[in-house]
Amino acid sequence: EVQLVQSGAEVKKPGESLKISCKGSGYSFSNYWIAWVRQMPGKGLEWMGIMYPGDSDTRYSPSFQGQVTISADKSISAAYLQWSSLKASDTAMYYCARRVQMGTIGYFDFWGQGSLVTVSS
Amino acid sequence: QSVLTQPPSASGTPGQRVTISCSGSSSNIGSNTVNWYQQLPGTAPKLLIYSNNQRPSGVPDRFSGSKSGTSASLAISGLQSDDEADYYCAAWDDSLNGPVFGGGTKLTVL
Repeated sequence: EVQLVQSGAEVKKPGESLKISCKGSGYSFSNYWIAWVRQMPGKGLEWMGIMYPGDSDTRYSPSFQGQVTISADKSISAAYLQWSSLKASDTAMYYCARRVQMGTIGYFDFWGQGSLVTVSS
Repeated sequence: QSVLTQPPSASGTPGQRVTISCSGSSSNIGSNTVNWYQQLPGTAPKLLIYSNNQRPSGVPDRFSGSKSGTSASLAISGLQSDDEADYYCAAWDDSLNGPVFGGGTKLTVL
């Protein structure tokens, strides 16, 4: 059974750093793209970036380029989303999702349960 | 505002058929396939429709998708109270070189 299990809720202060994780199981982690998606309170879904763990190829949405860092450790089937200096506006639920890509057909078939990040002084 | 445009809300009574529209452009829906995600209250999104009109295993055939030009739609027939959720369309955008989502449609079952 494919599963993506994310790290728990975090409460941080502005300016602090944070790294959240997404651990995959039940499939070959290296062979599927993993994306991160933000959902701010009461708002919709926003794609942040995506990584292919097999070769660490990483792409970012222009809206998030330079604001976060996506990484992975394929030896333990884990992907990460990292901030060096959090802002109050980073308060949101963050989801990881596995992407199936077959030619021009692509979709997110499995999602993590979400990691709630709260940034408040 | 979102790249793909959806109505913010939709509603129907049990047993009814409702449709949710999704409008895009030539760089996304016009040249790539459309997916739909269902997000039940307090839960993670779930894949509902992929490649315009394909249902993953386990999704009832009450849910169907279609695409024409730069627009797509999700239809739900035999509406049930369990269908109350937010529904998001998504497609790859060739200009952004990444996936884009609609703003979401909140479906209420009256």
